[in-house]
Amino acid sequence: DVKVTQSSRYLVKRTGEKVFLECVQDMDHENMFWYRQDPGLGLRLIYFSYDVKMKEKGDIPEGYSVSREKKERFSLILESASTNQTSMYLCASYPGQRVDGYTFGSGTRLTVV
Amino acid sequence: SQQGEEDPQALSIQEGENATMNCSYKTSINNLQWYRQNSGRGLVHLILIRSNEREKHSGRLRVTLDTSKKSSSLLITASRAADTASYFCATVGGGGYNKLIFGAGTRLAVHP
Repeated sequence: DVKVTQSSRYLVKRTGEKVFLECVQDMDHENMFWYRQDPGLGLRLIYFSYDVKMKEKGDIPEGYSVSREKKERFSLILESASTNQTSMYLCASYPGQRVDGYTFGSGTRLTVV
Repeated sequence: SQQGEEDPQALSIQEGENATMNCSYKTSINNLQWYRQNSGRGLVHLILIRSNEREKHSGRLRVTLDTSKKSSSLLITASRAADTASYFCATVGGGGYNKLIFGAGTRLAVHP
């Protein structure tokens, strides 16, 4: 069964800390995505990557960066965490063809205090 | 930016009833997908309908797409308590990269 694994289910960080959220997929998918989910706003795309070392900004990239050094791993980085980055973060992957939908991880609920 | 809106925001029904959720979007699309999310978990893909299709079925799910009105609907027939979840529509545009743009979702509660 295909899997997208997010390293932490719950995370509490302090304002100003550098935060790394890790996502690993075991399906050899080219495309990987980071979303944040907030009540009433649905899922908003932060960054995505369509190949190793390639990245594209989504709709809300400010305050975030990403890294994709290996095909299976896509990291989201909060350079200096702020309280307005408290949210649920969801990682997803997609092969680009032959498959209908994305595969999502279980999410990381990040609280910045 | 969100692609569109789901309607209603919340829906409460009894087991055995049908549940209908609607989704509107703003720009032209390549396909539209529906996802389900159980409380606090990741999303699970339910069904995809392409821009040249008008209706699609999968088990108890029926999806329609009206590209002239930029809208879609998801019908769950004979609902069960286990269908309680949030449901999201998401669109893929024609610009490549297979980016999914989501709506805000509909919270469905099915009571035994």
